[in-house]
Amino acid sequence: NAGVMQNPRHLVRRRGQEARLRCSPMKGHSHVYWYRQLPEEGLKFMVYLQKENIIDESGMPKERFSAEFPKEGPSILRIQQVVRGDSAAYFCASSPTGTGGLETQYFGPGTRLLVL
Amino acid sequence: KNQVEQSPQSLIILEGKNCTLQCNYTVSPFSNLRWYKQDTGRGPVSLTIMTFSENTKSNGRYTATLDADTKQSSLHITASQLSDSASYICVPGGKLTFGTGTRLTIIP
Repeated sequence: NAGVMQNPRHLVRRRGQEARLRCSPMKGHSHVYWYRQLPEEGLKFMVYLQKENIIDESGMPKERFSAEFPKEGPSILRIQQVVRGDSAAYFCASSPTGTGGLETQYFGPGTRLLVL
Repeated sequence: KNQVEQSPQSLIILEGKNCTLQCNYTVSPFSNLRWYKQDTGRGPVSLTIMTFSENTKSNGRYTATLDADTKQSSLHITASQLSDSASYICVPGGKLTFGTGTRLTIIP
């Protein structure tokens, strides 16, 4: 059973371009979470999705950021018109059920986004 | 306002020694508390998960304690190894809020 997979591992974009980050949860997991980690800071929750539904997007910036978790395929975090402040590590985690109980979240290796 | 304070911010100990990391939190309502280990450049890995009714939980050389009344938790590492060098993050509550944790360095 492969762990959570994220790609690409590293992504370089110029200001104004779009960044697409992909996350494949562990097999059997239907809940996905996205976090952002700036240098020297802790992970900050962005969005929580279940298949085809956004459950909690309270941590998502109001503009330029969007996330989806389609019925088939990986979850996608999309950043439009990137700016230098978007440079960070973006981690995805998955769990078999929601965070209300004692479910462990399994984290992927992250995507490091660098905006030039 | 939810807040997590961990101490010390950083710690350096000799290989083989024990250490204890502290976590104070003000999260309401409280459902469970998790400790994670994050190696540099990697995603966090769960070490322990405790409900408010549990006082202690062990995972190998890691033992977490919890006092839900005072909202304090600790993570004790026994017989430290070089591979224990990482950041240790306390995460209280159902909605995960990560702090910067304690940066632990084990020296030979």
